[in-house]
Amino acid sequence: NAGVMQNPRHLVRRRGQEARLRCSPMKGHSHVYWYRQLPEEGLKFMVYLQKENIIDESGMPKERFSAEFPKEGPSILRIQQVVRGDSAAYFCASSRGAGDRTLNTEAFFGQGTRLTVV
Amino acid sequence: GEDVEQSLFLSVREGDSSVINCTYTDSSSTYLYWYKQEPGAGLQLLTYIFSNMDMKQDQRLTVLLNKKDKHLSLRIADTQTGDSAIYFCAERGSYNKLIFGAGTRLAVHP
Repeated sequence: NAGVMQNPRHLVRRRGQEARLRCSPMKGHSHVYWYRQLPEEGLKFMVYLQKENIIDESGMPKERFSAEFPKEGPSILRIQQVVRGDSAAYFCASSRGAGDRTLNTEAFFGQGTRLTVV
Repeated sequence: GEDVEQSLFLSVREGDSSVINCTYTDSSSTYLYWYKQEPGAGLQLLTYIFSNMDMKQDQRLTVLLNKKDKHLSLRIADTQTGDSAIYFCAERGSYNKLIFGAGTRLAVHP
């Protein structure tokens, strides 16, 4: 059973280009979370998606960032017109469900995509 | 609001115990987690504790939870050089999302 797969592992973009980050959740998982880790910082929640639905995007920047999780295929985090401040590691995590407050539903993390904007 | 704080650095001698501390703000958090991140890698779940527990032990790892003070700690017994990494404390938020601290960088020296 393969883990959470993210690609590419490393991505270099020039300012103004678009970045597309992909995340394939673990088999049987229909819940995906995206996090961003700026250099020397912890991970910050960006967005939570279920198949075809965005459930919580409270951590997403208001402009240039979007996410989707189509019925078929991986989840995509898209950053338009990238700027230097977007350089970070982007992690995806997947789980079977969001669970209720008394049930631990473990989220498994991918290896991350390290985006560098030059 | 939700916020998690950790000290940034810890240096220990090989064979000693390491204690990494964390404070959180959301008293309604039901689960608290410790993750390990090695250089250039993703996050590995080390252990977690449910809020109705005070302590959990798993081999060399001991987690202590003080709900009154909203304080969580991770003790690593017999610390080895392979334990050198960044350790993140996290609390569970709405929709099972995780709220992370900034991470404690553990350095183990001979």
